[in-house]
Amino acid sequence: VQLVESGGGLVKPGGSLRLSCAASGFTFSSYSMNWLRQAPGKGLEWVSSISSGSSYIYYADSVKGRFTISRDNAKNSLYLHMNSLRAEDTAVYYCARQLPDHSFDYWGQGTLVTVSS
Amino acid sequence: QPVLTQPPSSSASPGESARLTCTLPSDINVGTYNIYWYQQKPGSPPRYLLHYNSDSDKGQGSGVPSRFSGSKDASANTGILLISGLRSEDEADYYCMIWPGNAWVFGGGTKLTVL
Repeated sequence: VQLVESGGGLVKPGGSLRLSCAASGFTFSSYSMNWLRQAPGKGLEWVSSISSGSSYIYYADSVKGRFTISRDNAKNSLYLHMNSLRAEDTAVYYCARQLPDHSFDYWGQGTLVTVSS
Repeated sequence: QPVLTQPPSSSASPGESARLTCTLPSDINVGTYNIYWYQQKPGSPPRYLLHYNSDSDKGQGSGVPSRFSGSKDASANTGILLISGLRSEDEADYYCMIWPGNAWVFGGGTKLTVL
């Protein structure tokens, strides 16, 4: 199992960014997937979840209305579209696989998003 | 969102046991929830350790040794991660997590130092 995030970088407040997570080594279409983040020196924060067929989507209140999670099962890829970015969105963003028991058993190495002018 | 309270730090010596706690707010009952535990070392993503709801409803992460175990203290409305036979490599940050209904919620994490 491998999860590789990409798309992070430096963006100005109010800007947009799209993160990607390339999955391999398992049947991607069978699993719910999640985005989580960790601000520098801070704890973990869940961002968003998407079910295997995209029927169920959830967001943290802190990103609702600004971020959109999506997936392309044909491409084994997970995405996070981030709009109206704020300084407090600065963090390492991880994608994680969710098992049926709801644990997050595999995580990517993360991609750093920095929101600064 | 409910706030899960974890002590910022804890310490114990090699070979001893460490008891890490995760206290739920008084308006939600620990007995209702699976408590998930993650370990994170500097520069690495989190690692899933285990989850615990009851002795008949629990799970261990792949490759996680049995010296990591979960429990609950209903009287304190608290989830517990017990690490027995501490080793130096157990020094890490530990996070608890629950699903109260529409969002995953993490505790603030406990930094465990193995003296």
